[in-house]
Amino acid sequence: QKEVEQNSGPLSVPEGAIASLNCTYSDRGSQSFFWYRQYSGKSPELIMFIYSNGDKEDGRFTAQLNKASQYVSLLIRDSQPSDSATYLCAVTGGFKTIFGAGTRLFVKA
Amino acid sequence: GAGVSQSPSNKVTEKGKDVELRCDPISGHTALYWYRQRLGQGLEFLIYFQGNSAPDKSGLPSDRFSAERTGESVSTLTIQRTQQEDSAVYLCASSLALIGGGSDTQYFGPGTRLTVL
Repeated sequence: QKEVEQNSGPLSVPEGAIASLNCTYSDRGSQSFFWYRQYSGKSPELIMFIYSNGDKEDGRFTAQLNKASQYVSLLIRDSQPSDSATYLCAVTGGFKTIFGAGTRLFVKA
Repeated sequence: GAGVSQSPSNKVTEKGKDVELRCDPISGHTALYWYRQRLGQGLEFLIYFQGNSAPDKSGLPSDRFSAERTGESVSTLTIQRTQQEDSAVYLCASSLALIGGGSDTQYFGPGTRLTVL
């Protein structure tokens, strides 16, 4: 059974802090890794994707991938109350995408 | 361009009735996915379609669930003899292709909220 694991949270951080979201996956053959954000009552929306080991930065967001450890993370710098949402990790491999259950993030003003 | 659209946005039905949910993917996207999301839960994969290949139905929870797709366009998800446990948001997503180079990014529709009384 291929799995994607995330801490369900909630993760609470003060405004302006760095939020760190983590995800582990079981399938070593996984090829693509995604972070989605889902506001309450809304559909998931893509934040960023990463394919290679290392860091990928996009504005306040940085995705980090370590295939050897089967670990992918998302850092949110200068967290804002508007970042409060559920963050979904998704992993593609073997022609199937598996989503984690998501981590709820709460940014306190 | 237009995103993924789904209809209806809300559906209330009585237990035992059949329902049909519709998804219009982004034009040119060959891959289409259906997910179920119960309140406060994660995404539950149901089925995906890729071009003219046989669909992967491995996530369908029972034989009451079925889905069809016409070529690389519209898809319908049908739930027969609905049960209260079927109440959830049903999300559709599409992507350019299954794997590689960002083309496997899934874009989600707004979902259909199904309530079975």
